[in-house]
Amino acid sequence: AQSVTQPDIHITVSEGASLELRCNYSYGATPYLFWYVQSPGQGLQLLLKYFSGDTLVQGIKGFEAEFKRSQSSFNLRKPSVHWSDAAEYFCAVGALGGNKLVFGAGTILRVKS
Amino acid sequence: NAGVTQTPKFRILKIGQSMTLQCTQDMNHNYMYWYRQDPGMGLKLIYYSVGAGITDKGEVPNGYNVSRSTTEDFPLRLELAAPSQTSVYFCASRHRGTDTQYFGPGTRLTVL
Repeated sequence: AQSVTQPDIHITVSEGASLELRCNYSYGATPYLFWYVQSPGQGLQLLLKYFSGDTLVQGIKGFEAEFKRSQSSFNLRKPSVHWSDAAEYFCAVGALGGNKLVFGAGTILRVKS
Repeated sequence: NAGVTQTPKFRILKIGQSMTLQCTQDMNHNYMYWYRQDPGMGLKLIYYSVGAGITDKGEVPNGYNVSRSTTEDFPLRLELAAPSQTSVYFCASRHRGTDTQYFGPGTRLTVL
């Protein structure tokens, strides 16, 4: 069965520090992977996605993620966090042309000044 | 384009009441989805639709019904509200040719 694990429920980083949010997936076929961000009271916004090709993908707001098939991981990174990055981040997995995404439980990012 | 819009933003229901959550998209997307989001649980798929007149169950469909009479609208119906349906509900849509889903702002529902 498809599943997504985000091991960290909460993460707190200082403004200007680097960030890595972990995501591990279980999927029978070649996965399509996504990171979404949800600001308080808002819907989900797509940060980036991986379908194929270069395993390091760039997204909006300075985020990037690296697909590692051997580790079944798709970790999200940002070299320098801004206070406006405080939000909840969701990793999701799906199939090409598939109708369903499976979401992780989310990681809440707090940024301290 | 307004994207995906949802109404209402907030609602409190009594146990046993019914209501319809509205979802409309103006992007001419074929696929539409309803999710519920509970704390610490991520998003769970309730129902989805691949086009007008076609709907299918997701992971947690019990207690809900949907219809898709037009491309734009995908309402979610709760017939007999229960406290377990207290949640935040998100509607999403995507075009047939892409895998990116676009989300509405959500409806926060409380059943007391």
